[in-house]
Amino acid sequence: KAGVTQTPRYLIKTRGQQVTLSCSPISGHRSVSWYQQTPGQGLQFLFEYFSETQRNKGNFPGRFSGRQFSNSRSEMNVSTLELGDSALYLCASSLFGTPENTIYFGEGSWLTVV
Amino acid sequence: AQKITQTQPGMFVQEKEAVTLDCTYDTSDPSYGLFWYKQPSSGEMIFLIYQGSYDQQNATEGRYSLNFQKARKSANLVISASQLGDSAMYFCAMREGKPSNTGKLIFGQGTTLQVKP
Repeated sequence: KAGVTQTPRYLIKTRGQQVTLSCSPISGHRSVSWYQQTPGQGLQFLFEYFSETQRNKGNFPGRFSGRQFSNSRSEMNVSTLELGDSALYLCASSLFGTPENTIYFGEGSWLTVV
Repeated sequence: AQKITQTQPGMFVQEKEAVTLDCTYDTSDPSYGLFWYKQPSSGEMIFLIYQGSYDQQNATEGRYSLNFQKARKSANLVISASQLGDSAMYFCAMREGKPSNTGKLIFGQGTTLQVKP
């Protein structure tokens, strides 16, 4: 069974550019969440999608956006990149309806903004 | 407000020995879930073990067990028979509310574990 797949794994962008990251959840999982991990702030929740609808949103500026497609794949976009956006972006998927609702993560996308 | 606290920034353990990683949490919701993840330097967040707030028994998964003390709001991870491959960052995380409601996690700051040969 394939795990959570994130692409690209590594990317370098210039300040002011925008970036799109992709996440394919585990087959059958309909919930996808995104997290930003930095050395200073740790792991912070960005947003969560379920059945193409945003269910939760973290405390991030509007430059951070996301969407989910009908096949549960998700993308997140960061516009007008700033140096502080350099981080590991992690995607997680889960299967609602089970008692534990275990949440599984992908390998992450390492974003460097120069 | 919900909060996860991991007070050990770094830990050392001798290979084949057991180690306990501490985690305390704060929530006013009677329904919550507690997770432990392992993050090697590659970045992937690997699920280790889960404990639900209503679970009567402590969770176990192979060499991992969770020492759940609800009244003290602690959920410590115990790794038995440490291996060199256990060297990584370990995160405790909490999900508030019923499992069916959300996939949002609150994370602690993590503990770096180094296993010595």
